Amino acid sequence: DAGVIQSTRHEVTEMGQEVTLRCKPISGHDYLFWYRQTMMRGLELLIYFNNNVPIDDSGMPEDRFSAKMPNASFSTLKIQPSEPRDSAVYFCASSAGLTTEAFFGQGTRLTVV
Amino acid sequence: GDSVTQMEGPVTLSEEAFLTINCTYTATGYPSLFWYVQYPGEGLQLLLKATKADDKGSNKGFEATYRKETTSFHLEKGSVQVSDSAVYFCALRASTGGFKTIFGAGTRLFVKA
Repeated sequence: DAGVIQSTRHEVTEMGQEVTLRCKPISGHDYLFWYRQTMMRGLELLIYFNNNVPIDDSGMPEDRFSAKMPNASFSTLKIQPSEPRDSAVYFCASSAGLTTEAFFGQGTRLTVV
Repeated sequence: GDSVTQMEGPVTLSEEAFLTINCTYTATGYPSLFWYVQYPGEGLQLLLKATKADDKGSNKGFEATYRKETTSFHLEKGSVQVSDSAVYFCALRASTGGFKTIFGAGTRLFVKA
């Protein structure tokens, strides 16, 4: 298996623009997580899905953030409009079952200028 | 709510020194516990895990024992190498309330030659 795929390693956008981050989880995994990592706040869970259904989005910082999982093999995290304080590394992770570990993608470093 | 607390870094050691990184948790039910490692510019990788009390997880010379009585999961290695320099995250996967994975703040380890 190729692992969790976040095809974009670096994304640069201008303030006010919409940015969409993409993730392909490991085939067969039924949980998908979006995390944000910054120096100040460490690793924060933004939202997670089970069987494509959002279970907990309490970590989403503002209404500017939204996430979807239209099918078992694809998820997006969208920020609209983006702001410089959204600059961070965004990780997608997936897992199978209730006690198994999460497998992480390599992350997308977002810079909003 | 569930939480993970780990010792603040950075931790700086000389090569071949003994390593301990403390981790304690708060959780309802019976969580699974994990240590992840993040090398510079990379995503998180699972280092080891334990799914029930008194289990010992081990990998690459690292060990951690699930201690329910002290709610701890301390990471140890008998002799560190320069290549062990990374950020280490303690995490728990809840067994109730949605089964999401919660991470500690991370501890940066520097190993000097």
